[in-house]
Amino acid sequence: EAQVTQNPRYLITVTGKKLTVTCSQNMNHEYMSWYRQDPGLGLRQIYYSMNVEVTDKGDVPEGYKVSRKEKRNFPLILESPSPNQTSLYFCASSPRTAHTEAFFGQGTRLTVV
Amino acid sequence: AQKITQTQPGMFVQEKEAVTLDCTYDTSDPSYGLFWYKQPSSGEMIFLIYQGSYDQQNATEGRYSLNFQKARKSANLVISASQLGDSAMYFCAMRAHYGGATNKLIFGTGTLLAVQP
Repeated sequence: EAQVTQNPRYLITVTGKKLTVTCSQNMNHEYMSWYRQDPGLGLRQIYYSMNVEVTDKGDVPEGYKVSRKEKRNFPLILESPSPNQTSLYFCASSPRTAHTEAFFGQGTRLTVV
Repeated sequence: AQKITQTQPGMFVQEKEAVTLDCTYDTSDPSYGLFWYKQPSSGEMIFLIYQGSYDQQNATEGRYSLNFQKARKSANLVISASQLGDSAMYFCAMRAHYGGATNKLIFGTGTLLAVQP
């Protein structure tokens, strides 16, 4: 089954404690990205990757890091989480074209206290 | 600038009636794709329908259709014969090729639809 898998689904952590949200896709897609969803703001892109070892900032990259060492995996790293990073996070993947849907992971609901 | 606007924060519709969710977009790129996603209360993002900028006909997928008016830059979602399970947040999104640097999705702020029995 074609899918994007994120883990964990829910996470509560404390300010400053490093965490990683994993994302894996089994569709051999070149393009992967991370979004955060906040009420009234829709989804905003954090980082994206066009292929292995190619990553770049999206619209709201501050406080986040990513890596793309393998085509299937695209982890999101919060080195020192802060309460303003409390949000719903989505990983998405797609082939490199404007005319194909993006496949989303199940979402990770992160709370930073 | 690339932008998606959804002006309806929330809507009610009676079961079995049709409903239109509004979406306008802004882009200077001639090649782009427009998408609608559904987000139920469980949180996942479900792809509903896609319309390409060069498509001559409006897209349809079952009870979903996209009313694409290119000159007005609108891409409204029409849900026919609403069901209780249609109650969810709906997002309009656009992906454009701008310089080939990225094909990110740009989202609107969403419309929360409540279907009443």
